[in-house]
Amino acid sequence: SQQGEEDPQALSIQEGENATMNCSYKTSINNLQWYRQNSGRGLVHLILIRSNEREKHSGRLRVTLDTSKKSSSLLITASRAADTASYFCADGALWGNEKLTFGTGTRLTIIP
Amino acid sequence: DGGITQSPKYLFRKEGQNVTLSCEQNLNHDAMYWYRQDPGQGLRLIYYSQIVNDFQKGDIAEGYSVSREKKESFPLTVTSAQKNPTAFYLCASSIAGTSTDTQYFGPGTRLTVL
Repeated sequence: SQQGEEDPQALSIQEGENATMNCSYKTSINNLQWYRQNSGRGLVHLILIRSNEREKHSGRLRVTLDTSKKSSSLLITASRAADTASYFCADGALWGNEKLTFGTGTRLTIIP
Repeated sequence: DGGITQSPKYLFRKEGQNVTLSCEQNLNHDAMYWYRQDPGQGLRLIYYSQIVNDFQKGDIAEGYSVSREKKESFPLTVTSAQKNPTAFYLCASSIAGTSTDTQYFGPGTRLTVL
């Protein structure tokens, strides 16, 4: 299956700034999820947005979904050094819906 | 890393040897998954299982085998037929195995072929 792509591949910002990561996918989706991975560790679920939703918030996270453009964005506001990690989107296809397809990830570095 | 354990954390294998990676979960989840992650890359699905005694091939199943004899266990065997097995292997589980489920990941096993 085809993987989604995150943009940019790597992002470095100063602590306190906002970080925006984008994700594109190729199929019609049921939902899209964002995960975080600290270096050398497993992934941790951050947020899920369904195909009939356009925006969702969780703490300092804001996710948007544009199904017409097959894209999603993750915004982290007021970044902290502890936000340094890789961030992955994963789309759940509308058909054959038992699997998630993960993107290639954005490596985020927060500079103290 | 939730209630999922993977062992060992690091594994070294000689070429031509089979090796088995362990994955155990105590979350009472029906579904379990194995992913492979190469440096700087995303996750690719190897195998998944939605119920005991049943499993399905993912996108890159060649050279791998699994079993699901117990709900809490989903071991992955990397066989000598896998041409490039050096990678980071992640196991995950979810409640029911649908794409709207949150997947819970283990800490991973880093396999290196010498």
